Amino acid sequence: QVQLQESGPGLVKSSETLSLTCAVSGYSITSGYFWGWIRQPPGKGLEWIGNIYRNGTSYYSPSLKSRVTISVDTSKNQFSLKLRSVTARDTAVYYCARIPPAGSELTHWGQGTLVTVSS
Amino acid sequence: SYELTQPPSVSVSPGQTARITCSGNALTKKYAYWYQVKPGQAPVLVIYKDRERPSGIPERFSGSSSGTTVTFTISGVQPEDEADYYCQSPDSSGSYWVFGGGTKLTVL
Repeated sequence: QVQLQESGPGLVKSSETLSLTCAVSGYSITSGYFWGWIRQPPGKGLEWIGNIYRNGTSYYSPSLKSRVTISVDTSKNQFSLKLRSVTARDTAVYYCARIPPAGSELTHWGQGTLVTVSS
Repeated sequence: SYELTQPPSVSVSPGQTARITCSGNALTKKYAYWYQVKPGQAPVLVIYKDRERPSGIPERFSGSSSGTTVTFTISGVQPEDEADYYCQSPDSSGSYWVFGGGTKLTVL
């Protein structure tokens, strides 16, 4: 059974870079599925951040595109999110999730990690 | 940018039928997906490809599609179904995804 686990600093200073990692267990990250990041600000709805596909092709939310990078580390069976120049509006629970081949859904999710941006 | 529109809230009594709609222009060409989110828990996929139910999801959960609107239905609502429900779909290009604003289902 695949499991995903987010990790990273719970507190990031304004204007700095938020960096999170999603460790994948029970499944090889190179074996055909794809990967995504989603966030939920406190009291608000889900927001898609971006996805990464085969050969590293990635797509990002237009509203975040200029600040976001998603990458895969096959040696560690994990993928990562970097969000630059953060502000208080980036405070949220951040989730990583798995995308099936030829699918547009998020079938398995990590438990989420709260990241607070402080001034 | 592409948007999906959901009602903010729906309320039903136990045993009744709850229907949550999601509207978006690209839904005539792209599938919709539905997630259940309970406080403090990760989202759970409850419907994929408009109407398919993942393994382990109760049969009372169903989905349908008509034109630019998809509908998520819970037949015979149970107290444990109280949660926020989100639709999700790609835009017409298929590359950029979006979530609806979410609907809070209250079981009276």
